[in-house]
Amino acid sequence: AQTVTQSQPEMSVQEAETVTLSCTYDTSESDYYLFWYKQPPSRQMILVIRQEAYKQQNATENRFSVNFQKAAKSFSLKISDSQLGDAAMYFCAYRFTRDDKIIFGKGTRLHILP
Amino acid sequence: DAGVTQSPTHLIKTRGQQVTLRCSPKSGHDTVSWYQQALGQGPQFIFQYYEEEERQRGNFPDRFSGHQFPNYSSELNVNALLLGDSALYLCASSVLAYEQYFGPGTRLTVT
Repeated sequence: AQTVTQSQPEMSVQEAETVTLSCTYDTSESDYYLFWYKQPPSRQMILVIRQEAYKQQNATENRFSVNFQKAAKSFSLKISDSQLGDAAMYFCAYRFTRDDKIIFGKGTRLHILP
Repeated sequence: DAGVTQSPTHLIKTRGQQVTLRCSPKSGHDTVSWYQQALGQGPQFIFQYYEEEERQRGNFPDRFSGHQFPNYSSELNVNALLLGDSALYLCASSVLAYEQYFGPGTRLTVT
């Protein structure tokens, strides 16, 4: 069975600094998607970034970038120039391309210190 | 363009009761997925509806059932509520298996 593990329950970073959130996953499939979702106190789950497993190039979205290591089954999220609005729960997630369900990790709560 | 909407925002039920949660998908989306998010946990997949049929189901008992209407909106029904059913219930819509957009959720408390 596929699993997603986030080993950091909470993290803090100073405003304007850079922080990296860790995620590992386990799957026997070779074709899948990986995601980072943000869930602020409003509860709305927002897609931050997506990575297709067949792409070697790491995905980037403005201040957000990932380090995708397929052989190591690692998928970390780097947030540059952290802003107060980045404070939220961050979930790492996996979806097999021929499946409909998204499998989520337990999340990392990110605090931004002014 | 309205995103995914869910109702109610929150509700409180008693053990043994039944509850119905509602979801309206984003415009143009035909697929609805439901997730349960217990406190301090990541969401867990309950099931997905496409063309008014249950397309895939997660590891949830038959007390959890759903429905999709011709306008693609969906309902989640939970019978014989247990204390452990207390959670945030998230609906996500998509065009088939493409990117899922989430609603704000319904917070269910079972007492």
